[in-house]
Amino acid sequence: DGGITQSPKYLFRKEGQNVTLSCEQNLNHDAMYWYRQDPGQGLRLIYYSQIVNDFQKGDIAEGYSVSREKKESFPLTVTSAQKNPTAFYLCASSGRTGVDSPLHFGNGTRLTVT
Amino acid sequence: AQKITQTQPGMFVQEKEAVTLDCTYDTSDQSYGLFWYKQPSSGEMIFLIYQGSYDEQNATEGRYSLNFQKARKSANLVISASQLGDSAMYFCAMTGRGSTLGRLYFGRGTQLTVWP
Repeated sequence: DGGITQSPKYLFRKEGQNVTLSCEQNLNHDAMYWYRQDPGQGLRLIYYSQIVNDFQKGDIAEGYSVSREKKESFPLTVTSAQKNPTAFYLCASSGRTGVDSPLHFGNGTRLTVT
Repeated sequence: AQKITQTQPGMFVQEKEAVTLDCTYDTSDQSYGLFWYKQPSSGEMIFLIYQGSYDEQNATEGRYSLNFQKARKSANLVISASQLGDSAMYFCAMTGRGSTLGRLYFGRGTQLTVWP
């Protein structure tokens, strides 16, 4: 079955360490997105990529970095510069970028930094 | 940029009853899309229903319908015959044209609880 795989489901890190969250999709989608979810905040866009080797900052990109070397993969690195990294991270993809394009989401990674 | 407002942090409904979850939006785009997603406690985001700004008919998908009132800029989700499995967080979202094409903007969500 096609879908989006995020791993791991839970991730624990010490403050000051960089950590990379994995996102892989086998839907053959061009566009991929990273969202952050905090309680009561809804989803906020971190980075997105509409094509391989190209990506754009979203609304809260500070302290994060991404790469898009392959169509299937869009890893997110949470750096030590991110002031409050503990959150639920959702990766999504879309087969087209029209106003009628729903996003398909992975199951998320819950990151806890202490 | 687009803005989505969900004013109901929590809603309660008895099983088999209908419930309406409110969503208002703001945009300067003429062409845009409105979406509803369901997020169970497991965390996955499930796409429920879509309404285009030029669609004259309200969208329906099974027990879900979207009450679209363009002049009021509202896109309320109606769930008929609620089931216990409908208990979840519900998010309203929208996208538009231009620099926002392909991006989804989300509201803060409404936690729905269905009781027997």
